[in-house]
Amino acid sequence: QQQVKQSPQSLIVQKGGISIINCAYENTAFDYFPWYQQFPGKGPALLIAIRPDVSEKKEGRFTISFNKSAKQFSLHIMDSQPGDSATYFCAAGANNLFFGTGTRLTVIP
Amino acid sequence: NAGVMQNPRHLVRRRGQEARLRCSPMKGHSHVYWYRQLPEEGLKFMVYLQKENIIDESGMPKERFSAEFPKEGPSILRIQQVVRGDSAAYFCASSPYREGYEQYFGPGTRLTVT
Repeated sequence: QQQVKQSPQSLIVQKGGISIINCAYENTAFDYFPWYQQFPGKGPALLIAIRPDVSEKKEGRFTISFNKSAKQFSLHIMDSQPGDSATYFCAAGANNLFFGTGTRLTVIP
Repeated sequence: NAGVMQNPRHLVRRRGQEARLRCSPMKGHSHVYWYRQLPEEGLKFMVYLQKENIIDESGMPKERFSAEFPKEGPSILRIQQVVRGDSAAYFCASSPYREGYEQYFGPGTRLTVT
């Protein structure tokens, strides 16, 4: 059973556009929701994370929106750049993390 | 502050051999997590360890896989009698927190079983 569902599987965005990736979770005990960025051949890098006591968190061009009642959260990348082209994973958990299946983002110059 | 270190980065084993993967957490981190990633898939939790203790091994296959995090030295993920299906990237992550927050990943070990 997939604890965290992520969509879309792939995303193509023009440079300067907004990239939006969505995740949904089932377990209401989850209290930590990070996003990771992974480049080919590298380990995932922690990008930004949120706890359920806030509905939004922004760090630079990256924003997490969190909807506790809907059990959904999303990553918004503003002013997307070609260097943002990577695979993005959402995760959720309490004592350990359950990962989504990833979104391959391609930002076209 | 050095990041999470894993070695080897690439490991080739024949079917039936043993694979040992090592993970040195970030300085000051006493919590280690191991994950497996198959091509085009997300990361699957395997095991969570603290120094000298296995806290959660609910994601570990029941046979052939074991993990340890001794008082001194790196954490080790050991796979005995490897099979082709074990071919994957294995990542470890470390955290300074008990609850699984802020996990920082190493570069991974890519295991190929021939």
